[in-house]
Amino acid sequence: DGGITQSPKYLFRKEGQNVTLSCEQNLNHDAMYWYRQDPGQGLRLIYYSQIVNDFQKGDIAEGYSVSREKKESFPLTVTSAQKNPTAFYLCASSTQTGIGEKLFFGSGTQLSVL
Amino acid sequence: GQNIDQPTEMTATEGAIVQINCTYQTSGFNGLFWYQQHAGEAPTFLSYNVLDGLEEKGRFSSFLSRSKGYSYLLLKELQMKDSASYLCAGDKLSFGAGTTVTVRA
Repeated sequence: DGGITQSPKYLFRKEGQNVTLSCEQNLNHDAMYWYRQDPGQGLRLIYYSQIVNDFQKGDIAEGYSVSREKKESFPLTVTSAQKNPTAFYLCASSTQTGIGEKLFFGSGTQLSVL
Repeated sequence: GQNIDQPTEMTATEGAIVQINCTYQTSGFNGLFWYQQHAGEAPTFLSYNVLDGLEEKGRFSSFLSRSKGYSYLLLKELQMKDSASYLCAGDKLSFGAGTTVTVRA
């Protein structure tokens, strides 16, 4: 089955630690996205990538980094510079980034700080 | 972003109809999406409206008025499995906070 897979489902971060969230898709989609979801707030875009080896900052990129070395993979690193990392992180993909392209989402990673 | 607003919570009875409203800034409008998200799960696509009017897909319908910056999602013949959060979204940057719908027996 084609889909988008995020791992792990739950992740804990210690103070000063960097952690990496995995996102893999086998839908052959060009575009991939990372969102952060906090209670009572809408999804906020962290980074997105339209093509391999290229990515753009979203609204809240500070404290995060990404890479896009393969079409299928778009990992997100939450660095120690992100002071409030506790949130539900969603990865998504679409065929392109154009108007009207619906998003396909992974099942999310809940990140908590120890 | 497009400053999308939608109610926080709604409760309805099984078999009933619920209408979830969504308002947005009309500048830079490129169409409106609705997604369904069950707790702790991935949002899934429900509908996309770019022209005015009502689009029906089974028990779910979505309406758009571009001049008013207004959309709604209509859920008919509610079932317990419809208990979820419903997200209104503009482009990739603009998501509403979601409306949590609780269906009671």
